[in-house]
Amino acid sequence: AQTVTQSQPEMSVQEAETVTLSCTYDTSESDYYLFWYKQPPSRQMILVIRQEAYKQQNATENRFSVNFQKAAKSFSLKISDSQLGDAAMYFCAYRSPGGAGANSKLTFGKGITLSVRP
Amino acid sequence: ETGVTQSPTHLIKTRGQQVTLRCSSQSGHNTVSWYQQALGQGPQFIFQYYREEENGRGNFPPRFSGLQFPNYSSELNVNALELDDSALYLCASSSDRGADTQYFGPGTRLTVL
Repeated sequence: AQTVTQSQPEMSVQEAETVTLSCTYDTSESDYYLFWYKQPPSRQMILVIRQEAYKQQNATENRFSVNFQKAAKSFSLKISDSQLGDAAMYFCAYRSPGGAGANSKLTFGKGITLSVRP
Repeated sequence: ETGVTQSPTHLIKTRGQQVTLRCSSQSGHNTVSWYQQALGQGPQFIFQYYREEENGRGNFPPRFSGLQFPNYSSELNVNALELDDSALYLCASSSDRGADTQYFGPGTRLTVL
């Protein structure tokens, strides 16, 4: 079974600075998908970024980018130019490749609470 | 494009009761997955519905059941509620039986007293 570990329960960043959130995972599969989701106090889980394991290039979405290290099974999220609206819980998630049904389930880490200081 | 919606927002029940939670999928999506998120934890997969049939299940007892309707909306039913069922229940819709990205609704907060 796959597992996702987020070992930092909380992090804080100054507005306009850069912060990196860590995530490691364990799997025996060679192809898979990784996601970062953001959950603000409104509770809605919002997709931040997605990475396909077969792609060597790190995904980027505006101020958000990932550092995907497949051999190390590490998938960190970098937030540049942090804004007050970035304050939320961030979850790292894993999904099996080409999966359907239960194989398409997302396996989440425990999350990290990010606070942004003005 | 309409996003994923859930109702009700909050619900309070007592132990032993039954509850039904509802989810409307995003336009164009035919798959709904349900997750339970305990306080301070990441979501846990309950089950998935595709074209009105259960299409995969996580490690949850049979008193957790569901339905999907022809318009792809879905219900989660929990019988014989226990205190540990208190959680945020999230549904996520997607296309292609979940192989595509899953988009989440705002959740239903269930409190069992």
